Amino acid sequence: QKEVEQNSGPLSVPEGAIASLNCTYSDRGSQSFFWYRQYSGKSPELIMFIYSNGDKEDGRFTAQLNKASQYVSLLIRDSQPSDSATYLCAVRGSQGNLIFGKGTKLSVKP
Amino acid sequence: GAVVSQHPSRVICKSGTSVKIECRSLDFQATTMFWYRQFPKQSLMLMATSNEGSKATYEQGVEKDKFLINHASLTLSTLTVTSAHPEDSSFYICSAIIAGEQFFGPGTRLTVL
Repeated sequence: QKEVEQNSGPLSVPEGAIASLNCTYSDRGSQSFFWYRQYSGKSPELIMFIYSNGDKEDGRFTAQLNKASQYVSLLIRDSQPSDSATYLCAVRGSQGNLIFGKGTKLSVKP
Repeated sequence: GAVVSQHPSRVICKSGTSVKIECRSLDFQATTMFWYRQFPKQSLMLMATSNEGSKATYEQGVEKDKFLINHASLTLSTLTVTSAHPEDSSFYICSAIIAGEQFFGPGTRLTVL
């Protein structure tokens, strides 16, 4: 069974700093990886997805994938207080569903 | 705008009653919808996969007779929590695959007293 592991945090960074969120997954055959942001009481919203080894950048966000190490990370540059949320790492399951980690709670201090 | 809607957004009910949650894909057809459940400080856990016109596929440990899923049309899936108990209190979220992309509904907060 596929598993996704994340450090639950909380991760606290000052405003303007880089926040680094990490995730490992168990199934070496996994192909699709996703980062979601979830505010308290709300459903997840997609930040980025990544399929290929290496880095993928979108604005202040960079996703990094290392399939050999079964490791996915998300970097948030110039962190803002509005980035404070729980970040969920997910991999695609066999039915098209998403298998989520428990999430890392990020707190950006002004 | 929203691609997937859920109704109601919040429901409080007495123990032993049944609660129906609707998940609609707006303006798009979704042959597959997923139902997730999220307990406080936990991640989203897949409960079942709902396919239009066929029986839902339930994950291990999810009682199909307690969590009834009906996917009668390409735009609507319903989850009925039968004889709800306090331990069923949770955040229920549906998602739909539309044109290969997964969209989440806003979620339904169920509180069973």
